Amino acid sequence: SAVISQKPSRDICQRGTSLTIQCQVDSQVTMMFWYRQQPGQSLTLIATANQGSEATYESGFVIDKFPISRPNLTFSTLTVSNMSPEDSSIYLCSVEGSAGGQETQYFGPGTRLLVL
Amino acid sequence: QKEVEQDPGPLSVPEGAIVSLNCTYSNSAFQYFMWYRQYSRKGPELLMYTYSSGNKEDGRFTAQVDKSSKYISLFIRDSQPSDSATYLCAMRRNSGYALNFGKGTSLLVTP
Repeated sequence: SAVISQKPSRDICQRGTSLTIQCQVDSQVTMMFWYRQQPGQSLTLIATANQGSEATYESGFVIDKFPISRPNLTFSTLTVSNMSPEDSSIYLCSVEGSAGGQETQYFGPGTRLLVL
Repeated sequence: QKEVEQDPGPLSVPEGAIVSLNCTYSNSAFQYFMWYRQYSRKGPELLMYTYSSGNKEDGRFTAQVDKSSKYISLFIRDSQPSDSATYLCAMRRNSGYALNFGKGTSLLVTP
């Protein structure tokens, strides 16, 4: 499986500001994904980021709030814009992978965000 | 009704016990089933992957799928304190990478 790193690992931010989270993979992958993991909730997919095309957002998530960049096959960023305390969460990136010949995903360590 | 239901626990067992973790789902389009383990302050780690009804064993772990009942389980034999983590079930449709997760079950194995 790919080795995935995220920066920052955690941050405390003031409401109204923005934070950009970086995700780096040690191998080239076509598909990268961004998730949110709120306390007591399921991992929820925010968007799928394919290199060379616009990110595809899931219902309830919009580009203005969560702009995503995917400049190459090993890197992506997620920005959480105009933050409010409700954005306090763990943000995870994942990449496509294969297990037993079937598609699956491998996850990074996550970025823990607290908005005051 | 959420597509994937998972009891969040917490579940506390003594070392050496057999642990049973379960998820139910409502969408019959789900064909592939995974279990992830997530240690505190870490990302989810793929533990087991199955795609047919029946059992799949890997060491102390057994994944069980019953598509007719829309029910999946993960069994941990001879549980160890190092198994203490949150276990997430996940599933996907026949094609594509999109995963639907349960909320996760928190497991504590006490020495």
